[in-house]
Amino acid sequence: AQSVTQPDIHITVSEGASLELRCNYSYGATPYLFWYVQSPGQGLQLLLKYFSGDTLVQGIKGFEAEFKRSQSSFNLRKPSVHWSDAAEYFCAVGAPDSNYQLIWGAGTKLIIKP
Amino acid sequence: NAGVTQTPKFQVLKTGQSMTLQCAQDMNHNSMYWYRQDPGMGLRLIYYSASEGTTDKGEVPNGYNVSRLNKREFSLRLESAAPSQTSVYFCASSARQGAEQFFGPGTRLTVL
Repeated sequence: AQSVTQPDIHITVSEGASLELRCNYSYGATPYLFWYVQSPGQGLQLLLKYFSGDTLVQGIKGFEAEFKRSQSSFNLRKPSVHWSDAAEYFCAVGAPDSNYQLIWGAGTKLIIKP
Repeated sequence: NAGVTQTPKFQVLKTGQSMTLQCAQDMNHNSMYWYRQDPGMGLRLIYYSASEGTTDKGEVPNGYNVSRLNKREFSLRLESAAPSQTSVYFCASSARQGAEQFFGPGTRLTVL
């Protein structure tokens, strides 16, 4: 069965520091990959997506993610975080043999230290 | 451009009561989804509608029913609410299956 793992429940970084949030998936072929962000009390907003092609994808708000097939990973990065980046981040995977229903990671809560 | 709208925003029910959560999208999307979000569990798909006129079960359909009323609207019904259905419910839509999904603001439901 497909699964998505976000190993870190919480991550704390200082404002201005770099960020990497991890996402690993279990699936035989290359799935569709997404990162979403959820601010407290809000719905989810798409940060970026990977369908095919260039394995480094750029998203909104200065985020990027790199697809690494050999590691079954799709880690999210940002070179310098801002206090407004404090939120919960979700990785999701969609696969053609499940009608592209998204399987979601449990989320990583990002805390920013001033 | 409202995107995806959901009503109500908050609801408190007693065990055994019924209610319908409403969702509408104005992006002319074909596919619509209902999720529930519980702490530490990410989002779990309840039901989805790949296109107008079709609905299918997701990961956790028990205790719920859905209606795709037209292309814009997709409702979720709890016939007899249980405390285990206390959760935040999100509706989402996408142009087609596999495309990025756009989310509504959510409904926070408490069942006492």
